[in-house]
Amino acid sequence: KQEVTQIPAALSVPEGENLVLNCSFTDSAIYNLQWFRQDPGKGLTSLLLIQSSQREQTSGRLNASLDKSSGRSTLYIAASQPGDSATYLCAVRAGGETSGSRLTFGEGTQLTVNP
Amino acid sequence: NAGVMQNPRHLVRRRGQEARLRCSPMKGHSHVYWYRQLPEEGLKFMVYLQKENIIDESGMPKERFSAEFPKEGPSILRIQQVVRGDSAAYFCASSPLGGPPNYGYTFGSGTRLTVV
Repeated sequence: KQEVTQIPAALSVPEGENLVLNCSFTDSAIYNLQWFRQDPGKGLTSLLLIQSSQREQTSGRLNASLDKSSGRSTLYIAASQPGDSATYLCAVRAGGETSGSRLTFGEGTQLTVNP
Repeated sequence: NAGVMQNPRHLVRRRGQEARLRCSPMKGHSHVYWYRQLPEEGLKFMVYLQKENIIDESGMPKERFSAEFPKEGPSILRIQQVVRGDSAAYFCASSPLGGPPNYGYTFGSGTRLTVV
């Protein structure tokens, strides 16, 4: 059974700092890994999608890496801003005919960027 | 191009009533997934549907919960005889025709169900 863990559970940083969020998963047989952002009381916004054959993806100030063999991904946020404050969720899409349809989520990292 | 549309955004039901949650996938998407987020917990998979077909319902509670995705109209998640423990945010996601593994998911804004 796939399990996804995110560390730390919460993080508070001053504006302008670079930071790293960590995600680990127990079963390396994945199709892809997706990072989402969730604002309080809102839905999920997709940030980055990394296929199992890729090692990293970049979008603006965000960079996500994937080490499938060790079951790890990191989300790097450069020059953090107060508007980055949200909960960041990591989700893996596992392999397998039926189970490959579902995402397994971590419990998220709650990020606060202080002005 | 509207995203995944869920309604209502908020739903209040008394214990014992029925809750019906609707989800319209993105245009061109024919695969729908429902997830539940209980308070202070992560999102958990419930069910995966294609038009007129349930593909994987392994995450659905065995009783009181059902889902459908008819040929016409939105996908419906139905909860009968709701209890306080059903209070949660219910999210719908969709993916393109064929649901290839290399596509990401697009999520709706969710329906927040409160059972009083």
